[in-house]
Amino acid sequence: AQSVAQPEDQVNVAEGNPLTVKCTYSVSGNPYLFWYVQYPNRGLQFLLKYITGDNLVKGSYGFEAEFNKSQTSFHLKKPSALVSDSALYFCAVRDGGGSQGNLIFGKGTKLSVKP
Amino acid sequence: NAGVTQTPKFQVLKTGQSMTLQCAQDMNHEYMSWYRQDPGMGLRLIHYSVGAGITDQGEVPNGYNVSRSTTEDFPLRLLSAAPSQTSVYFCASRDGGALSQYFGPGTRLLVL
Repeated sequence: AQSVAQPEDQVNVAEGNPLTVKCTYSVSGNPYLFWYVQYPNRGLQFLLKYITGDNLVKGSYGFEAEFNKSQTSFHLKKPSALVSDSALYFCAVRDGGGSQGNLIFGKGTKLSVKP
Repeated sequence: NAGVTQTPKFQVLKTGQSMTLQCAQDMNHEYMSWYRQDPGMGLRLIHYSVGAGITDQGEVPNGYNVSRSTTEDFPLRLLSAAPSQTSVYFCASRDGGALSQYFGPGTRLLVL
């Protein structure tokens, strides 16, 4: 079965420093991977996805993610964190072949950016 | 477009009561799904639908029913609410060929 793991419940970063939110996955076949962000009392917003091609994927709000097939990882990164980046981040994988199926989510990582 | 809308935003129920959480989308999306979000658990899939008249169970379907009589609407019914169903519920939709999903704002449910 497809699954994703987010090993950190919380990540703390100082404003201006680079940030990384970790995600590892387990899938059969080619992975379709996603990152979503949830601000307090809001729904989930799509950040970026990896389907195929370049291992470095660029998304919204200056975020990017690096797909690493050998390490089965899809870590979310940003070169310089902002206080407004503080939110809950979810990694997800498509359950099913290709574009079919539903999203399987990790448990989420709370990002806290301090001034 | 309004996107994905959910009503109500917040609801308090007593154990044993029933209710329906409403979800609608105006993007003509084929896929719709319901998730529940609990602290430390991420989002778990309850039920989903790949088109009008077709529904299927997700990871945690017990205690919930769904129907899909139209493309636009995908209501979630709690037949007899239990405290374990206290959660935040999200509806999502996507086009059949699309890869990312659109989420509604959520319904916060408290069962006493």
